[in-house]
Amino acid sequence: EAGVTQFPSHSVIEKGQTVTLRCDPISGHDNLYWYRRVMGKEIKFLLHFVKESKQDESGMPNNRFLAERTGGTYSTLKVQPAELEDSGVYFCASRNSGANVLTFGAGSRLTVL
Amino acid sequence: AQTVTQSQPEMSVQEAETVTLSCTYDTSESNYYLFWYKQPPSRQMILVIRQEAYKQQNATENRFSVNFQKAAKSFSLKISDSQLGDTAMYFCASSISGTYKYIFGTGTRLKVLA
Repeated sequence: EAGVTQFPSHSVIEKGQTVTLRCDPISGHDNLYWYRRVMGKEIKFLLHFVKESKQDESGMPNNRFLAERTGGTYSTLKVQPAELEDSGVYFCASRNSGANVLTFGAGSRLTVL
Repeated sequence: AQTVTQSQPEMSVQEAETVTLSCTYDTSESNYYLFWYKQPPSRQMILVIRQEAYKQQNATENRFSVNFQKAAKSFSLKISDSQLGDTAMYFCASSISGTYKYIFGTGTRLKVLA
């Protein structure tokens, strides 16, 4: 089966611009997660979707971040306007409801200049 | 609150040798899971090994094994017969049973030398 796919792999933008990251989970996985790793630090939870509903968004840093999962398939994470501290690697993961392990993607590296 | 600590930012090992990556954690929960994930350069992060806290037996997966010391809250990863393909960033993580909000450490960058 295809894995979790994330796009773009690397995005470089200027402060104040907007960026949209996309995640395609494994087909059939109802649970989708976003995590973020700021340079040199731990990977931190951002939010969790079950199908198209946000189950837990307690890790979202502020209202400049908007995650959507219309139709319960792929998800997007938009940062608007981007700030320098938003730089990092954004990971997406998915999980089948019957499983207890997350499958991660390769991450999208965001650089804000 | 749960925390995971990886005290070795970088390590290197000669090909075919054995290396141990350390991880300590803190939790007040009795039922939890521990994980090691690896991310090779520019590639997907993949699960290496998983341990259920209620199991006393250490998990093994081919050349990868863990030393799970529950009382000491330690969960180290041993890689035997290291191969060049083991070069990667290794992350230790924990989650409370029934939830999937992983708590990660800061990672250990492992380089296997030819």
